[in-house]
Amino acid sequence: ELKVEQNPLFLSMQEGKNYTIYCNYSTTSDRLYWYRQDPGKSLESLFVLLSNGAVKQEGRLMASLDTKARLSTLHITAAVHDLSATYFCAVDHLRDDKIIFGKGTRLHILP
Amino acid sequence: NAGVTQTPKFQVLKTGQSMTLQCAQDMNHEYMSWYRQDPGMGLRLIHYSVGAGITDQGEVPNGYNVSRSTTEDFPLRLLSAAPSQTSVYFCASSFGQAVDTGELFFGEGSRLTVL
Repeated sequence: ELKVEQNPLFLSMQEGKNYTIYCNYSTTSDRLYWYRQDPGKSLESLFVLLSNGAVKQEGRLMASLDTKARLSTLHITAAVHDLSATYFCAVDHLRDDKIIFGKGTRLHILP
Repeated sequence: NAGVTQTPKFQVLKTGQSMTLQCAQDMNHEYMSWYRQDPGMGLRLIHYSVGAGITDQGEVPNGYNVSRSTTEDFPLRLLSAAPSQTSVYFCASSFGQAVDTGELFFGEGSRLTVL
């Protein structure tokens, strides 16, 4: 059974600082997704990582995938208040087409 | 292009009542899925479908039924609502992992309260 773990689950940080969110998963997969959710809203796609070593960047966010370690990271550079949201990683369980989500990381960036 | 449309957006039920959450997409997506979101639990997969006529169970299928008679629609039925089914429900769709990236597109969500 595929399990997806994110840490930390809650992160409060100052503007201008750097930080990393980690996503570990338990079975083989080479597809991983990152989503953002604002309070009371739906989820929007941030990154799709499709192979070992994949790296994607958008603004102050950068995501990477290490399939051998079963680990993805979402790195935030010089955080700004607008990045406050909940971030989810999700993993494609290739064997049966299920996409399983982590519990999410609630990011609060203090001005 | 409306994307993924969920109805209703809000619903209050009494224990034991039945209801159907509707989900429709106009993107010609083969893959559709239902998740529930509860505080501290992330999103948990209820049921999913890889195409018309095909459905399968996710992580938390008990108490829910689905069918997929058309490519566009994927309704979620609660046969006898229980307070434990109070949650926010999200429908999501994609072209499917076999032919595309599998990136999911989400509806706006349906907030269900069971008294």
